[in-house]
Amino acid sequence: EAQVTQNPRYLITVTGKKLTVTCSQNMNHEYMSWYRQDPGLGLRQIYYSMNVEVTDKGDVPEGYKVSRKEKRNFPLILESPSPNQTSLYFCASSLAGNQPQHFGDGTRLSIL
Amino acid sequence: AQTVTQSQPEMSVQEAETVTLSCTYDTSENNYYLFWYKQPPSRQMILVIRQEAYKQQNATENRFSVNFQKAAKSFSLKISDSQLGDTAMYFCAFMIDNNDMRFGAGTRLTVKP
Repeated sequence: EAQVTQNPRYLITVTGKKLTVTCSQNMNHEYMSWYRQDPGLGLRQIYYSMNVEVTDKGDVPEGYKVSRKEKRNFPLILESPSPNQTSLYFCASSLAGNQPQHFGDGTRLSIL
Repeated sequence: AQTVTQSQPEMSVQEAETVTLSCTYDTSENNYYLFWYKQPPSRQMILVIRQEAYKQQNATENRFSVNFQKAAKSFSLKISDSQLGDTAMYFCAFMIDNNDMRFGAGTRLTVKP
């Protein structure tokens, strides 16, 4: 089954404790992206990647890191999480940037 | 800066009726792509419809169609014969060639029986 898999689905943690949200796709897609969703703001793009070893900043990259060492994986790293990063996070992938994106089921992060 | 505006935070419609969700965007680019995504209570993001800016013909997908007005920078979604399963948050989104994707704040649609 074609899918984008995010882990964990839910996480409650404390300020300053490094965390990684994993994202993996099995569709051989070139393009992958991370978004955060906040009430009243819709989805905002954090980082995207057009291919292996190619990443670029989206609208709200501050406080986040990403890497794309393999085509299928695109982890999101919060080196020192803060409460304002409490949000619902989505990973997505597509054949190319302008093609429809397949989304993961989302990760609910709470930073206390 | 590229922005997407959905001016209707909430809307409701009776089952079997037609509803139109509005979306406007701002860009100086000429080549871009527009999307409508649906997010039901399960919080999954599901593609509803896609439109290339260089195509004048409005995209249609079963009961869903768009009214794309490039000069006015408007991209509204029409849902015909609304069904209870259409109840969801709907997001308008816009992508230019550099792969920078922008979403609107969303419209919460409730279909009433």
